[in-house]
Amino acid sequence: KAGVTQTPRYLIKTRGQQVTLSCSPISGHRSVSWYQQTPGQGLQFLFEYFSETQRNKGNFPGRFSGRQFSNSRSEMNVSTLELGDSALYLCASSFSSGGDYEQYFGPGTRLTVT
Amino acid sequence: AQTVTQSQPEMSVQEAETVTLSCTYDTSESNYYLFWYKQPPSRQMILVIRQEAYKQQNATENRFSVNFQKAAKSFSLKISDSQLGDTAMYFCAFKRTGNQFYFGTGTSLTVIP
Repeated sequence: KAGVTQTPRYLIKTRGQQVTLSCSPISGHRSVSWYQQTPGQGLQFLFEYFSETQRNKGNFPGRFSGRQFSNSRSEMNVSTLELGDSALYLCASSFSSGGDYEQYFGPGTRLTVT
Repeated sequence: AQTVTQSQPEMSVQEAETVTLSCTYDTSESNYYLFWYKQPPSRQMILVIRQEAYKQQNATENRFSVNFQKAAKSFSLKISDSQLGDTAMYFCAFKRTGNQFYFGTGTSLTVIP
């Protein structure tokens, strides 16, 4: 089975721009979660999507949004980029929401905001 | 709110020796799951081991084992016979019955040859 894939792997944007990141989960997985990883803060949960519905949301401003398509692929959008948005954005998929299902992580998208 | 604390930002261990990584968490939930994830340098995060809170027996996966103390809200990871490939950032994570994971800030482990 192919693993979780994320595109693009690297991205450089300017303050004020917007960006869209993509995540394709493992085949058969219906839950996709997004995390922001920074050296000082570790991994912080952004949101989870299951069956095209946002199930959980972390404590991030409204500039961060996401969606999930019928094939479970997910996109994350950040508008009006700030320097502090520079981070590794990780996507994780699991078979379902809830229970003890393991999350499988993608390689991440490294976003640099200048 | 759930919090996960890893108080050791960096650790090192000699190859073939044993090392223990600490993790504490805070929750009012009675049913939850705990995980240790490993993130090697420039590589993907992978699951090392997991523990269901309702199970009293400590989980074991080959050289990796946990010491789960539910009353103390402690979940430490023991790595036996450390290998060079164990060099990585290790994250402790907590999950309730939903799918929202809470991660600690990580412990960077270096295995010294």
